[in-house]
Amino acid sequence: EVQLLESGGGLVQPGGSLRLSCAASGFTFSGSAMSWVRQAPGRGLEWVSTISTGGVNTFYADSVKGRFTISRDNSKNTVDLQMNSLRVEDTAVYYCAKGGHNSWFDSWGQGTLVPVSS
Amino acid sequence: EIVLTQSPATLSLSPGERATLSCRASQSVSSYLTWYQQKPGQGPRLLIYDTSTRAPGIPARFSGSGSGTDFTLTISSLEPEDFAVYYCQQRNTWPRTFGQGTKVEIK
Repeated sequence: EVQLLESGGGLVQPGGSLRLSCAASGFTFSGSAMSWVRQAPGRGLEWVSTISTGGVNTFYADSVKGRFTISRDNSKNTVDLQMNSLRVEDTAVYYCAKGGHNSWFDSWGQGTLVPVSS
Repeated sequence: EIVLTQSPATLSLSPGERATLSCRASQSVSSYLTWYQQKPGQGPRLLIYDTSTRAPGIPARFSGSGSGTDFTLTISSLEPEDFAVYYCQQRNTWPRTFGQGTKVEIK
């Protein structure tokens, strides 16, 4: 069974930084692209970033480009999202999702909440 | 950026009724259209990918159709567990984009 467990969320001030992590199990991690998708309170889903299987190719939404960095460690089955220069509008539940490069998002975590507020 | 517009925003139906949800793209996404279901407090769940292929474990009452810019998700007979929010998403181009969602609520 695929399991994706996000961690690292929490209250952060505008301009601050936070690092989210997603621990994956139940599938061949090194063979799957991984993504982050977020959902602001009461709003819809917004794709944030995707990383290819080997980590060579990364993709970002314009809203986070230059501030967020996605990375993965295939030896630890983890994918991270380093978030810098956070803004109030980055407030959301952040979901880790399997896939997204040349495929759909076929499994999702439960999400981790990131409130950005002073 | 491809904009996906879902309609209606809310669908009020009774169990046993047929639900028809629409997703329209601002430009062609070929057949690369995916549907997800989300219930309160949960992550989304994959329902249908590439327009019409049901994901493993998804009941046959869920079906998808369409091509190019117009797509439909049909639930043939609503079960109590089907009342949720449904999102479409395209993977034809970057950035990946989602529709704003259709809420299927109990009438």
